[in-house]
Amino acid sequence: AQKVTQAQTEISVVEKEDVTLDCVYETRDTTYYLFWYKQPPSGELVFLIRRNSFDEQNEISGRYSWNFQKSTSSFNFTITASQVVDSAVYFCALIPRTHSGGGADGLTFGKGTHLIIQP
Amino acid sequence: SQTIHQWPATLVQPVGSPLSLECTVEGTSNPNLYWYRQAAGRGLQLLFYSVGIGQISSEVPQNLSASRPQDRQFILSSKKLLLSDSGFYLCAWSRRDGETQYFGPGTRLLVL
Repeated sequence: AQKVTQAQTEISVVEKEDVTLDCVYETRDTTYYLFWYKQPPSGELVFLIRRNSFDEQNEISGRYSWNFQKSTSSFNFTITASQVVDSAVYFCALIPRTHSGGGADGLTFGKGTHLIIQP
Repeated sequence: SQTIHQWPATLVQPVGSPLSLECTVEGTSNPNLYWYRQAAGRGLQLLFYSVGIGQISSEVPQNLSASRPQDRQFILSSKKLLLSDSGFYLCAWSRRDGETQYFGPGTRLLVL
């Protein structure tokens, strides 16, 4: 079984500050995918990034960056120069790579971090 | 490009009434399809997934059922709703390799 923990229930920062959202996971699978999704107030889950367990290279996309450390089972997400539009609930998720087609588990989600960016 | 639709967007139903939520995907063939529920507290739970027409797998015992009458159509149903069925229902699709799941806009269901 897998488990994803997002210990930060809510984070509030002032616009233009940098903010890091933590994600720690547990899995017995040797290969897996990790994801981050954004859920704005409208409710739709927006896919942000997918990482393979065998690729620990960090990734940057504009103001977003992701730090994957297999040794600590963490996949943290940093937003630099935050903006009000970044306000949302962010979910970290995991799926075993051996379970193609979604498998019997589907995505295992953390409980989400509610990020509030104040103007 | 692929798009995923869900309707209705919101629904208020009395306890004991039937339910039918629909999800359709455009722009792809033979997708894997999924139903998730997000209850209060924000956790997302997989309810059903389907790898093809008529092929449904259930993850948790519950009051709901799912069907896939067409390749790109996924339906969530109930014969008699319970108060505990209230929540936000999200449909998702992935390619056959199942690597990334893309979600629809969701349906908010309130059972009174």
